[in-house]
Amino acid sequence: KQEVTQIPAALSVPEGENLVLNCSFTDSAIYNLQWFRQDPGKGLTSLLLIQSSQREQTSGRLNASLDKSSGRSTLYIAASQPGDSATYLCAVRPRANSGGSNYKLTFGKGTLLTVNP
Amino acid sequence: DVKVTQSSRYLVKRTGEKVFLECVQDMDHENMFWYRQDPGLGLRLIYFSYDVKMKEKGDIPEGYSVSREKKERFSLILESASTNQTSMYLCASSLMGQKRTQYFGPGTRLLVL
Repeated sequence: KQEVTQIPAALSVPEGENLVLNCSFTDSAIYNLQWFRQDPGKGLTSLLLIQSSQREQTSGRLNASLDKSSGRSTLYIAASQPGDSATYLCAVRPRANSGGSNYKLTFGKGTLLTVNP
Repeated sequence: DVKVTQSSRYLVKRTGEKVFLECVQDMDHENMFWYRQDPGLGLRLIYFSYDVKMKEKGDIPEGYSVSREKKERFSLILESASTNQTSMYLCASSLMGQKRTQYFGPGTRLLVL
C-alpha cells in the first residue's frame, strides 16, 4: 500500500528566504506526482504536476523535482513571501497496471508553511 | 477557468439525520471525487465516479453513498449522520486520463451533533 510522508509537518521562515519542502513515497510505481496548496478552510489548488518520466517542473518561484527511484520529491520556493503561507500537500497517482485504481491519488498529510514579514 | 462548487460551506446536522452534500462542476469533466479531510489523517478518498451512474469505492466508503445522475453533479449522501462523520468534505473533478489534474471545490465543513 502506497504511503506518502511529508517532512517537516510545519515550517516557519522569515520573508525572503529560499526553502525546501520534502515528500517521500514508498511505492515507486507511480504515474505522476502533484504538489497542491491549501489555504486555511479552503480547497486545494494544484501547483505543479510532474510525470514519472520527468525530473522537474517549474512555475514562477516554484520548482518541484522528482527522483522516482528513491521515492522522493522536493518543492523549492524561492524568495518566500507572506502570501506563500499555506499548507502544501503532495500526492502520487499509481501506474495504470500497478494493482490500484489509477484515478486514485494518495496524499501526504502536508507541511504547514508560515512566512513571517 | 474550471469551477467546482459545493452547495454549502458550513453545515450543522443532528445525529441520525440524512445529509446531502452536492458538488457541481462546469467543465464537462468525466471524473468526480469525494474526499474527507481530518487533522492528522490527511485527505482520504470516500468515493469517485468516472461516468454518469458509475461509481467506485474509495478508501473509506462505509457510512456514505453517492449519486451521479448528471455529468456535472456528484452528490455525497450520509444516510444516518454520526458524530464521527464531522469533518471537512472536499469535492474534486478531472478530465479522463492519468495526466489530468484534479480541481477541488472550496469544501464543506460538516458538524454532526
